[in-house]
Amino acid sequence: ETGVTQSPTHLIKTRGQQVTLRCSSQSGHNTVSWYQQALGQGPQFIFQYYREEENGRGNFPPRFSGLQFPNYSSELNVNALELDDSALYLCASSLDSAYNEQFFGPGTRLTVL
Amino acid sequence: KQEVTQIPAALSVPEGENLVLNCSFTDSAIYNLQWFRQDPGKGLTSLLLIQSSQREQTSGRLNASLDKSSGRSTLYIAASQPGDSATYLCAVRGSGGSNYKLTFGKGTLLTVNP
Repeated sequence: ETGVTQSPTHLIKTRGQQVTLRCSSQSGHNTVSWYQQALGQGPQFIFQYYREEENGRGNFPPRFSGLQFPNYSSELNVNALELDDSALYLCASSLDSAYNEQFFGPGTRLTVL
Repeated sequence: KQEVTQIPAALSVPEGENLVLNCSFTDSAIYNLQWFRQDPGKGLTSLLLIQSSQREQTSGRLNASLDKSSGRSTLYIAASQPGDSATYLCAVRGSGGSNYKLTFGKGTLLTVNP
């Protein structure tokens, strides 16, 4: 069984640029959630995708968008990067219902200069 | 709006000590509560998941309890080891319309000294 993987590991961008982060869910999981973790803080929910549809969204502006593919892998896109977007971006996968455990990937460290 | 608080923010103990980490949440309408471990700059490792109908879960030296009515959970670590040093995060999954997301506390930074 393959765990959750994310790419790239680290990324450096400048303000105003766009970035795409990728996540492969754990085998058999159909739900992917994205979280942003600023330094010294707990992760904050960005959005969730279930069977290729956005299933819920946190308090993030529209320049944060996502996609889920038929194989349940997912992308997080951020446009017009701001300095405050610098954070660890975590992807989590799970199977269906709210009762099931979420499994997290290693994260992508994004630095915006 | 669900808020999760973890106390203490940091804890330093000598090796071999038993310890308790605390988590409180403001809305008792939850599906489950999950404890995670995070090493510096790394992702989250799930330690224990407690469903709302359960009172506790155990895994090795770890025991987590849940008192939903009072909005509290504790993570008990027995016979602590230097390898237990990490940040421990508590997260709750809301019920009803917010059951798609986890709400996290800021974590407790644990240091176990040899």
